[in-house]
Amino acid sequence: DADVTQTPRNRITKTGKRIMLECSQTKGHDRMYWYRQDPGLGLRLIYYSFDVKDINKGEISDGYSVSRQAQAKFSLSLESAIPNQTALYFCATSEPPGQGPDTQYFGPGTRLTVL
Amino acid sequence: AQSVSQHNHHVILSEAASLELGCNYSYGGTVNLFWYVQYPGQHLQLLLKYFSGDPLVKGIKGFEAEFIKSKFSFNLRKPSVQWSDTAEYFCAVNSDNYGQNFVFGPGTRLSVLP
Repeated sequence: DADVTQTPRNRITKTGKRIMLECSQTKGHDRMYWYRQDPGLGLRLIYYSFDVKDINKGEISDGYSVSRQAQAKFSLSLESAIPNQTALYFCATSEPPGQGPDTQYFGPGTRLTVL
Repeated sequence: AQSVSQHNHHVILSEAASLELGCNYSYGGTVNLFWYVQYPGQHLQLLLKYFSGDPLVKGIKGFEAEFIKSKFSFNLRKPSVQWSDTAEYFCAVNSDNYGQNFVFGPGTRLSVLP
């Protein structure tokens, strides 16, 4: 969905490196999310933000940090990458409840490999 | 904590077979329920969703799902699958009690043989 974009799409890095994954959206949504997807585990929530001044930890936030630079931008950082952070990372947006269908819209994903 | 389980990890069917994928959730309050599909190499897309009203929900591509509150279930069905339905399917739940965040099931991989 071109409304939610992620960069880079693929990244290979080494243990200990700092990595930033970026997400941008043109849907005008206040709510943004970062998930990681691992085989057999589905999607797990890392961080979420309900507006520019609101940042919250998700289920698996350890080893990650985020920055909400603007309504349209939500970045995920791995301060010191480790191999078990190898995964597919998805950004998503949604509208607040009561303002339309409460559906998440996903970006294309970033495949991160940590060697 | 709220959780979502999906009964099958991998389902293999022949074309024209009927499909039912199970989904159960753990929260007893008001919930919104979703099925997402992820085709190979692509991102997640919404198949259908339930908020209120008729518990039988129809989605895109001939899929439907039935919300059974007493069973905490939201199973996905399709009468006759096609090879192009090969994908991974995720059930998801959100509720006011969980800060309107989404909890996803582990996914079910569907392989349809031509």
